Amino acid sequence: IAGITQAPTSQILAAGRRMTLRCTQDMRHNAMYWYRQDLGLGLRLIHYSNTAGTTGKGEVPDGYSVSRANTDDFPLTLASAVPSQTSVYFCASSERAGEGTGELFFGEGSRLTVL
Amino acid sequence: GQNIDQPTEMTATEGAIVQINCTYQTSGFNGLFWYQQHAGEAPTFLSYNVLDGLEEKGRFSSFLSRSKGYSYLLLKELQMKDSASYLCAPRDSNYQLIWGAGTKLIIKP
Repeated sequence: IAGITQAPTSQILAAGRRMTLRCTQDMRHNAMYWYRQDLGLGLRLIHYSNTAGTTGKGEVPDGYSVSRANTDDFPLTLASAVPSQTSVYFCASSERAGEGTGELFFGEGSRLTVL
Repeated sequence: GQNIDQPTEMTATEGAIVQINCTYQTSGFNGLFWYQQHAGEAPTFLSYNVLDGLEEKGRFSSFLSRSKGYSYLLLKELQMKDSASYLCAPRDSNYQLIWGAGTKLIIKP
């Protein structure tokens, strides 16, 4: 089934540890995004990529890094996890950035707990 | 600054109609999206408005007034499966979505 796959679905992590959340899409979408979702808040954009080889910072990029070596993969890395990074992380993609309906397709989410 | 305002929670009865309002202030405007999110699941696309007026799609309709910074989502013939959060998300001048915290809709029999 075409779509976006995230891994892991859930993880408990000790503070200070490094963690990479994986995201793969098979829809050949150009644009990909990482959001975090916290209770009572809207989705907040961490990083995005409009096309393979390029990345940009979103609203809350500190403590996170991304890479986009190819069209399909967009991993999110926490270099040294802190408790405030406890959240549900969603990877999303759209056919292209910019104009048009720009419908986002989301992965199932990765629930991360940092202790 | 950019701001989205929608009710935190609403309750409605199965078979009835409910309207979820959203007011927004963004730096520029390039359309507005509504997404549905069931508890513990990913958001899924419902509707997109870029011009003023009503867009109808089955039991769901979405309205936009750009001059008022206002949109609503109208759900008709409510079903139990419509219990979910509904997220309003206008797109700003950089084509980035600005997300509201969502309205949790509870459907009662």
